[in-house]
Amino acid sequence: AQSVAQPEDQVNVAEGNPLTVKCTYSVSGNPYLFWYVQYPNRGLQFLLKYITGDNLVKGSYGFEAEFNKSQTSFHLKKPSALVSDSALYFCAVRGDNYGQNFVFGPGTRLSVLP
Amino acid sequence: EAGVTQFPSHSVIEKGQTVTLRCDPISGHDNLYWYRRVMGKEIKFLLHFVKESKQDESGMPNNRFLAERTGGTYSTLKVQPAELEDSGVYFCASSPFWKLMDEQYFGPGTRLTVT
Repeated sequence: AQSVAQPEDQVNVAEGNPLTVKCTYSVSGNPYLFWYVQYPNRGLQFLLKYITGDNLVKGSYGFEAEFNKSQTSFHLKKPSALVSDSALYFCAVRGDNYGQNFVFGPGTRLSVLP
Repeated sequence: EAGVTQFPSHSVIEKGQTVTLRCDPISGHDNLYWYRRVMGKEIKFLLHFVKESKQDESGMPNNRFLAERTGGTYSTLKVQPAELEDSGVYFCASSPFWKLMDEQYFGPGTRLTVT
C-alpha cells in the first residue's frame, strides 16, 4: 500500500535560515513525488515534482527537493526562509502504475519567525 | 486562465441534513478529483472522474456520498444524510487528460461542519 509520512507536525525556522520539511514514502513501482503548499484560506498550490531524471528538483518560490531512492525520501528545502513561506506543506506520492491515486502526507506547518 | 473553483467555501449543517458541494474544474480538464481532509489529518482521495465517467470511486466512505459530473464539466458531491464524522475540508482538483500521472490543480476547498 502507498503511504507518506511527514514526521514533523510543525517546523519553526528563523527568517534567513535554511529550512527543511521532511517527507518519506512507500509506493509500489517507481514513485512520482509532489510537494504542495496551502496558504490560509487558499487551495493547495503545486510547488514541485519528481517524475524522473535529476534527483534534485527545483520549484516555485526558491524551493527545491531531493529525491533519495535508498532512503525513500523527498525532503523539501529552501536555502533562505522568508516570513511569507509560513504555510502548511503537503507531500504526495503516486506509483507509476496506471490506476494509482495520489496519497498525501498529514502536512507540516512551517512557521518562519522574523 | 481561471483556476478550480468550489462552492460554497463553508457550510454548516445539522446532522441528518443534506449538503451539496460543487466543483468547477479548469476549462478543458477531463480529469476531476475529490479529496477530503478530516480533523487535520492527511488529505484522502475520494474519487476520480474522467469526463462524465467515474474512473475510480474506491475512496468514497459509504453510500451517503454521491458524486456526479453530468456533461463532463462541473461536478457535485452530495452528502445525505450528513453525519458528524463527515466534517472536514473537501477539495476538488482537476488536470488535463494527458496529465493523468502528473500534478493536479486544486481548488480552495469547502469546509463542511456537521453539528
